[in-house]
Amino acid sequence: GQSLEQPSEVTAVEGAIVQINCTYQTSGFYGLSWYQQHDGGAPTFLSYNALDGLEETGRFSSFLSRSDSYGYLLLQELQMKDSASYFCAVRGNYQLIWGAGTKLIIKP
Amino acid sequence: EAGVTQFPSHSVIEKGQTVTLRCDPISGHDNLYWYRRVMGKEIKFLLHFVKESKQDESGMPNNRFLAERTGGTYSTLKVQPAELEDSGVYFCASSQGNTEGETQYFGPGTRLLVL
Repeated sequence: GQSLEQPSEVTAVEGAIVQINCTYQTSGFYGLSWYQQHDGGAPTFLSYNALDGLEETGRFSSFLSRSDSYGYLLLQELQMKDSASYFCAVRGNYQLIWGAGTKLIIKP
Repeated sequence: EAGVTQFPSHSVIEKGQTVTLRCDPISGHDNLYWYRRVMGKEIKFLLHFVKESKQDESGMPNNRFLAERTGGTYSTLKVQPAELEDSGVYFCASSQGNTEGETQYFGPGTRLLVL
């Protein structure tokens, strides 16, 4: 079967750094994406990794290791507005295969 | 530029009734996708349109679900008759192309509750 594993919940302090891990097992792989979703909102694209290594976009970075079927999202200088659910998703042929999401709770 | 819009935002219906969800993709996006999240589980792919043609409908759960995209613009997803297990959030997404790194842009979803 196809599955993505990520922690259900992560708690961090404002201003800190947090890493959300994702491991995947899928029949096809064209890249790993990360999406952010605030309660009741649309999933919003954050990053995409097709090749091994680190991609940086402002306070957010994403890493991929295809040999380990593993990636992570790194959020730096956490702000209260970063409180949301974060989803990893593998790009299959055309569709996205999703993890269950990680709820990030940020404390002041 | 307007994003992906979905209507209605919420729908509450009784088992056996029919519901039609609508998705308006970003203008110019040929690719349109439907996904759903049921009972707090993972978001699951339903189907993919390229313009008005169904490219992949392997995720459609059964024949009670019918998706159309006449004219290659907006799309509708009809559930008839609705069952309790159809409750969840239905998301629509669109992308300009469908290459490997193409970003899919999501709408806010329609929250469907079947009683």
